[in-house]
Amino acid sequence: KAGVTQTPRYLIKTRGQQVTLSCSPISGHRSVSWYQQTPGQGLQFLFEYFSETQRNKGNFPGRFSGRQFSNSRSEMNVSTLELGDSALYLCASSLGASGTYYYEQYFGPGTRLTVT
Amino acid sequence: AQTVTQSQPEMSVQEAETVTLSCTYDTSENNYYLFWYKQPPSRQMILVIRQEAYKQQNATENRFSVNFQKAAKSFSLKISDSQLGDTAMYFCAFRTATGANSKLTFGKGITLSVRP
Repeated sequence: KAGVTQTPRYLIKTRGQQVTLSCSPISGHRSVSWYQQTPGQGLQFLFEYFSETQRNKGNFPGRFSGRQFSNSRSEMNVSTLELGDSALYLCASSLGASGTYYYEQYFGPGTRLTVT
Repeated sequence: AQTVTQSQPEMSVQEAETVTLSCTYDTSENNYYLFWYKQPPSRQMILVIRQEAYKQQNATENRFSVNFQKAAKSFSLKISDSQLGDTAMYFCAFRTATGANSKLTFGKGITLSVRP
């Protein structure tokens, strides 16, 4: 079974531009979560989607948005890029959504975004 | 809000020896999950071990075991018979077991180097 895939793997953008990152979950998984990883802040939760609906959202500005499609693939978008947005963006998929039942999250390799 | 603290930024261990990675957390929740994730250099994050807070027995997965002290809010990972492939960043993470807002909260991570 194929794992979580993220595209592109590496990206260089200029301040002020916008960027779209893509995540394809493991087949059959319906939940996708996004995390930002930086050396200074560590791993921080961005948002979680389940069945095309955003279920949870982290403490990030509105420039960060996401969506999920009917095939469970997810995209996240960052508008008006800032230097501080340079990070590794990780996507994780799971069978179900967060809640009382535990569903293991499987992580993708990440997209390394560099903003210059 | 939950917090996860990993106070040791780096550790080094000789191959075949045992090493313990520390983690403390803070929460007012009674039901939750604790995790240790491994992130090898330039590779995907994978789950090492999981502990349910309601279980008194410490979780074990082959060479990996935890020491879960609920009252002290401590969750350490012991790696026995360390192998070169254990070299990686290790993250302690927390997730509530109730409600819709049960995102993963990560510690800052610890870089473990296994020396040959």
